[in-house]
Amino acid sequence: QKEVEQNSGPLSVPEGAIASLNCTYSDRGSQSFFWYRQYSGKSPELIMFIYSNGDKEDGRFTAQLNKASQYVSLLIRDSQPSDSATYLCAVRSPNNDMRFGAGTRLTVKP
Amino acid sequence: NAGVMQNPRHLVRRRGQEARLRCSPMKGHSHVYWYRQLPEEGLKFMVYLQKENIIDESGMPKERFSAEFPKEGPSILRIQQVVRGDSAAYFCASSPLGLVAKNIQYFGAGTRLSVL
Repeated sequence: QKEVEQNSGPLSVPEGAIASLNCTYSDRGSQSFFWYRQYSGKSPELIMFIYSNGDKEDGRFTAQLNKASQYVSLLIRDSQPSDSATYLCAVRSPNNDMRFGAGTRLTVKP
Repeated sequence: NAGVMQNPRHLVRRRGQEARLRCSPMKGHSHVYWYRQLPEEGLKFMVYLQKENIIDESGMPKERFSAEFPKEGPSILRIQQVVRGDSAAYFCASSPLGLVAKNIQYFGAGTRLSVL
């Protein structure tokens, strides 16, 4: 079982729609959860982080965490073509190193 | 306030040569992480270092790969006797000292290694 799992996609949504990205993790002791966006050929950049159960909103982005079910999600409202990228879910393990999922490729069609 | 600096951006080596990848963390950051990314794949953790200490190298191949983060100077990821399978993007990230469990990692632009 992979430590962090994501659907590889591609996920395609029309412009203006909500994009929903999901991630599950295996280590119940994980404490911190991150979403990174990576454009092709570029380095990952942080979008959101969440530590507590529930929702965290930042502009068009909402991160959701459910530790009991061991999943974390990212919602992107009013999706724009510029949101087209690969989204990486990352989980900080109890020994403080980060484990990444393989990423979900999102395409927002104009 | 400079970000995480990696060099070179692109590195070409022939099979059997050595590759040295450098990473200077953000100012004030004392934790460095190295990741490898193959095309169309996610980031694979390699090693986590603090100044002069390797904290976790569970992701490092047992042979040919080594990493250091000396008291002075950048962190170095060294790959000896490179093979074609080593071709990948190598990313470095850094985070500050403090509440380690919650620290955010900031990524450099990466070094793209091509082995001919």
